[in-house]
Amino acid sequence: DQQVKQNSPSLSVQEGRISILNCDYTNSMFDYFLWYKKYPAEGPTFLISISSIKDKNEDGRFTVFLNKSAKHLSLHIVPSQPGDSAVYFCAASSYQGGKLIFGQGTELSVKP
Amino acid sequence: SAVISQKPSRDICQRGTSLTIQCQVDSQVTMMFWYRQQPGQSLTLIATANQGSEATYESGFVIDKFPISRPNLTFSTLTVSNMSPEDSSIYLCSVTQSREKLFFGSGTQLSVL
Repeated sequence: DQQVKQNSPSLSVQEGRISILNCDYTNSMFDYFLWYKKYPAEGPTFLISISSIKDKNEDGRFTVFLNKSAKHLSLHIVPSQPGDSAVYFCAASSYQGGKLIFGQGTELSVKP
Repeated sequence: SAVISQKPSRDICQRGTSLTIQCQVDSQVTMMFWYRQQPGQSLTLIATANQGSEATYESGFVIDKFPISRPNLTFSTLTVSNMSPEDSSIYLCSVTQSREKLFFGSGTQLSVL
């Protein structure tokens, strides 16, 4: 059972435009959500997180939105840059469970 | 943030052999985690390595197949035993600084022929 799903395996965006990466989850006990970014031949790096008590968290060009009723979160990158091209993983955890559950990843390609 | 050195970065192995992956952290950490990413799949937690005690394995992973050592607070190894092509994956070690904010090593790309 895939508790965290990223249904789009890839996304292509023009430089300067907005990139929107989506993530859905099924476990209502999840209360903390994170996005990681992964370049080829490197480990994932933490990008941004959000607690379930919020519906939005912003850090520079990156904003994460959480819709608890829909069990959906999204990562917005504005403006997109070629250096943003990478695989993006969303992840979720519950305070009780502790461990992170990852989605399958979305490969973002930002074209100049 | 923690700096994690993982080696080898990649290896090609024959079926039935074993490979040991090393993970070195630049600071002392209580827990280290080992993940696997199969092609096109999500990152899956294999086990949590605790210093001074046996590793805690997730459902679907067993000690005989993935023995783990944790001799001190900065080092851990994961062995992939009796390998088959299905073990071809990226293996990642990680540590946590705060809640669920994981730092990952660069990974080991394993191909089993």
